[in-house]
Amino acid sequence: GAGVSQSPSNKVTEKGKDVELRCDPISGHTALYWYRQSLGQGLEFLIYFQGNSAPDKSGLPSDRFSAERTGGSVSTLTIQRTQQEDSAVYLCASSLEFSPSGQEAFFGQGTRLTVV
Amino acid sequence: AQTVTQSQPEMSVQEAETVTLSCTYDTSENNYYLFWYKQPPSRQMILVIRQEAYKQQNATENRFSVNFQKAAKSFSLKISDSQLGDTAMYFCAFMSHGGSQGNLIFGKGTKLSVKP
Repeated sequence: GAGVSQSPSNKVTEKGKDVELRCDPISGHTALYWYRQSLGQGLEFLIYFQGNSAPDKSGLPSDRFSAERTGGSVSTLTIQRTQQEDSAVYLCASSLEFSPSGQEAFFGQGTRLTVV
Repeated sequence: AQTVTQSQPEMSVQEAETVTLSCTYDTSENNYYLFWYKQPPSRQMILVIRQEAYKQQNATENRFSVNFQKAAKSFSLKISDSQLGDTAMYFCAFMSHGGSQGNLIFGKGTKLSVKP
């Protein structure tokens, strides 16, 4: 597609339920990032995928969070047994691994997750 | 580990005036990229300007320019002739030069308000 696409745009879930957030990166982009942005805060790094390398999961806040990237393209971020503190905007971005013009990460519009 | 610091949580400027947003970073690497992203209330992250660390010349994009001081690890953004549409959160970001260190790291952001 023309840009990074995230779905759903908004998600309201009950505490304790599992949720899946989807990210479709720009075609051909090998790098994919997930970030969490709490209300009025900066971007907290969650996980990074680069090609076929093992993902960098160092930012995942707990074992309730997991992510996968199938076929080097679409990624799903799963949050199990959601808690109210998981409420935030989840942003996905993608980029080329190497670009003569300089790397740039392109962002989706995010998924606003509300846990009630 | 790399860190990015934005020491100004909020700033305001009068329309048509000039404002400078500060950013410092810490890294032991020699090759990297630096970015300024804008996030308006729509929450879409938009790249404003980028700088390759190996380039001594400061990047410029229309009304936006940077003051890149590699030795001091400083990367400030200057917005000239401020416009109401410049009102947004501004994030400074660091990216390693390719490979396994591709994590894109953000500062906590500066909220800029342009007043008429």
